[in-house]
Amino acid sequence: QSALTQPASVSGSPGQSITISCTGTSSDVGDYNFVSWYQQHPGKAPKLMIYEVSNRPSGVSNRFSGSKSGNTASLTISGLQAEDEADYYCSSYTSSSTWVFGGGTKVTVL
Amino acid sequence: QLQLQESGPGLVKPSETLSLTCTVSGGSISSSSYYWGWIRQPPGKGLEWIGSIHYSGSTYYNPSLKSRVTISVDTSKNQFSLRLSSVTAADTAVYYCARQGAGTTSCDPWGQGTLVTVSS
Repeated sequence: QSALTQPASVSGSPGQSITISCTGTSSDVGDYNFVSWYQQHPGKAPKLMIYEVSNRPSGVSNRFSGSKSGNTASLTISGLQAEDEADYYCSSYTSSSTWVFGGGTKVTVL
Repeated sequence: QLQLQESGPGLVKPSETLSLTCTVSGGSISSSSYYWGWIRQPPGKGLEWIGSIHYSGSTYYNPSLKSRVTISVDTSKNQFSLRLSSVTAADTAVYYCARQGAGTTSCDPWGQGTLVTVSS
């Protein structure tokens, strides 16, 4: 199975909004609403930010939102803050009953 | 509050078998609502799903690792384990265990991770 495709890096100024894309295929992202997003700070374990495309776990800021169109899912961070600087990974369930992650996107707050 | 903790050797020799255990506390591993998964991250690289297990014993493996991976569960100890055979330097990584929702399929929470280095 191939990794989902994410941009290597995205940057923005404090207060701005940024969007990270996650492109898969009709066998994963396009076929299931089981897309999740994770935030990972250096040296730390990943943290779930979005599940089932657009749902936020309890405790996650409403500045984080998710969506999907066709084979591409997106994570939007609005009102960008310094603490949002981290790596972000998407993942999806697949038609082979497996899971696949994206390559990761480094978010830089300018 | 559910917590997961990985344990096992931090150094494994090439061609040998990597063995890790994840201990679950604050909740039961014997829930039909969840799978229990292993994910790894080579230094400086991205996340790779290794495989997952249900307490009933059903397993799902990454096709690229399937021939070398075995995941098992011990409900009496509230633990699940990973064995990866014939390791090479490419298997050097931080290994995480995590709970996966059977419905949502998302991983939450995660263990803190443990670095396993493959070297002679």
